[in-house]
Amino acid sequence: LAKTTQPISMDSYEGQEVNITCSHNNIATNDYITWYQQFPSQGPRFIIQGYKTKVTNEVASLFIPADRKSSTLSLPRVSLSDTAVYYCLVAPMDSSYKLIFGSGTRLLVRP
Amino acid sequence: EPEVTQTPSHQVTQMGQEVILRCVPISNHLYFYWYRQILGQKVEFLVSFYNNEISEKSEIFDDQFSVERPDGSNFTLKIRSTKLEDSAMYFCASSRLPTGEQYFGPGTRLTVT
Repeated sequence: LAKTTQPISMDSYEGQEVNITCSHNNIATNDYITWYQQFPSQGPRFIIQGYKTKVTNEVASLFIPADRKSSTLSLPRVSLSDTAVYYCLVAPMDSSYKLIFGSGTRLLVRP
Repeated sequence: EPEVTQTPSHQVTQMGQEVILRCVPISNHLYFYWYRQILGQKVEFLVSFYNNEISEKSEIFDDQFSVERPDGSNFTLKIRSTKLEDSAMYFCASSRLPTGEQYFGPGTRLTVT
């Protein structure tokens, strides 16, 4: 499985756009990139998944450059409730898809 | 919006006792998973389950652990003889397809004394 590297923590203010970048230099051809969010004492929550270029949903955007060695999760206009840990995961889709979580990025949104 | 549910929310047990953690996955999902998170640590994969069989299990998932789908709605994790180090938050997850888009339950906090 591809190793991922992301910042340990980030600070932001309400209303700002937050971009969290994840490095995955040894990503394989059949790997997908998935981002999750976790609040304290809650289960992880799926945010977005992509393979290449840009993916957008109602919550976030995911930017993946052509070489796919990194990806950036973009959260538009964050609020206090976006304070959470964000995980970048890289893995192939196969018959027994398992999520391997790293330490994630702890995002603190200040008023 | 459909959700994964888990019971109980908190279970306290003595070392050596058996516990069963219960999950009700989202109804049209076919792939089921258990993860655990020791306080302050990473979320760890335990086991994946599809078509009434274990698809994959981690090194953590030893002979003390078992999973079962006893009926069309429940998915259980049994720990036969709990140890202190089994104290953790246990999350059940399900997905419609074998993808990274998994839906997690709220977790069961297991405390072994």
